[in-house]
Amino acid sequence: QKEVEQDPGPLSVPEGAIVSLNCTYSNSAFQYFMWYRQYSRKGPELLMYTYSSGNKEDGRFTAQVDKSSKYISLFIRDSQPSDSATYLCAMTYKAAGNKLTFGGGTRVLVKP
Amino acid sequence: NAGVMQNPRHLVRRRGQEARLRCSPMKGHSHVYWYRQLPEEGLKFMVYLQKENIIDESGMPKERFSAEFPKEGPSILRIQQVVRGDSAAYFCASSPDRGRVLNEQFFGPGTRLTVL
Repeated sequence: QKEVEQDPGPLSVPEGAIVSLNCTYSNSAFQYFMWYRQYSRKGPELLMYTYSSGNKEDGRFTAQVDKSSKYISLFIRDSQPSDSATYLCAMTYKAAGNKLTFGGGTRVLVKP
Repeated sequence: NAGVMQNPRHLVRRRGQEARLRCSPMKGHSHVYWYRQLPEEGLKFMVYLQKENIIDESGMPKERFSAEFPKEGPSILRIQQVVRGDSAAYFCASSPDRGRVLNEQFFGPGTRLTVL
């Protein structure tokens, strides 16, 4: 079993819809949770970063962390075709230093 | 401020040859990380370096792979005697030392290695 599980998709939505992404994990030590966006043939770009449980909002993006369920989510409101990309969740904990553990990524396609 | 730079962007090697991948971190960043991404998979941590020191190499294969981050110049990931299974995208990331528990990692565009 992988430490971090993520549905590979593809997830296809019409423009303007809400995109809902999630990851589950098995290691209860994880404390820091991130979402990266990766366009085809490019490097990952950090979108959101949260510590412990709770919600965080930044523009059209909302990240949620539920440590009791070992479940994290990313919501993208008013989706645009430019949001079409692969979204990777990543996580780590203090003793791991800066070593990030990634999910496999979910491919998202926003259709105009 | 230029981002993380990696070169070459594409590298083709025959089985048994050596591959050298270079990474120049962002200006002012003293921490470098290497990750490998196999087709249709997420990124897997390989190694974490600071200037002249390997901090964590727990993700590096035991043989054929090595990494360095010298006092001057880029970080180098070296793969000796490449095999077809080494074909992947190799990403470098860098972070500043802000004294926080977790420092944001900025990723480069990656080097795509193809082993024939």
